[in-house]
Amino acid sequence: DGGITQSPKYLFRKEGQNVTLSCEQNLNHDAMYWYRQDPGQGLRLIYYSQIVNDFQKGDIAEGYSVSREKKESFPLTVTSAQKNPTAFYLCASSIEVGGSIYTFGSGTRLTVV
Amino acid sequence: ILNVEQSPQSLHVQEGDSTNFTCSFPSSNFYALHWYRWETAKSPEALFVMTLNGDEKKKGRISATLNTKEGYSYLYIKGSQPEDSATYLCAFLGTLRGGYQKVTFGTGTKLQVIP
Repeated sequence: DGGITQSPKYLFRKEGQNVTLSCEQNLNHDAMYWYRQDPGQGLRLIYYSQIVNDFQKGDIAEGYSVSREKKESFPLTVTSAQKNPTAFYLCASSIEVGGSIYTFGSGTRLTVV
Repeated sequence: ILNVEQSPQSLHVQEGDSTNFTCSFPSSNFYALHWYRWETAKSPEALFVMTLNGDEKKKGRISATLNTKEGYSYLYIKGSQPEDSATYLCAFLGTLRGGYQKVTFGTGTKLQVIP
C-alpha cells in the first residue's frame, strides 16, 4: 500500500540539541511538505520541495532545515535556533506543487525539555 | 497572510443528528478548496476537492457546497454516527502573483458524535 511514513511518533529532546524527523513516501510524488501544528492554530508550512535537490522556505522556516536527496525522503531537522520547537509536525506529499490533493503522514510529536 | 476560518471550533452532536459547519476564505484569487477529515491518532484524509462556484460534492452521508463569490464552503453530515467523530479541516488554495498556488489551512472543526 502506498503512503507516507513518519517516524518516530513521539520524540523527546533536551533543549539545545538538534533533532531530525523522518518522512518517507512511496507514492512517487514529486512534491513534499512539512507542516507544524500548535494548539488553536491551523497547519503552518515550514518547508516544501517541488522536486529532488530543490526546496523552498514556507511561512515559518526559521530554526529548521531540510534536504531532498531522494524523491522518497524529505527529513526535517529542528535546530537549536528554533525558539519554540515543542509541537506536532506533519509531513505531506502531492503529485506536484499546486492544486493537487495532499497525502499526509500520521505526524511526530516533538517535546523539548 | 490569508485568513481561512472554520466555525464552530468544536461541536458535540447526538448520534443520528445532522450537522454542518463552515469554512470561510478570501473571495479573491480563488483556485480550489479542499476538505480533509482527521481522526485522532491517524493521518488527515482527503474528502473533497472543490473548484467551481456552486460545486456540490457528496460522499455517502457527507456533502459539501462551495460559494466562491462570497467566500465560504459548507460541510454537511447527515445522520451523524460515532465513526464520524474527527476534526474536519479545510484548505484554501489561492493563486498568487506569478501564477502559483498557496495553500492555507483553517484551524479545523472538531466533531464529537455521542452514541
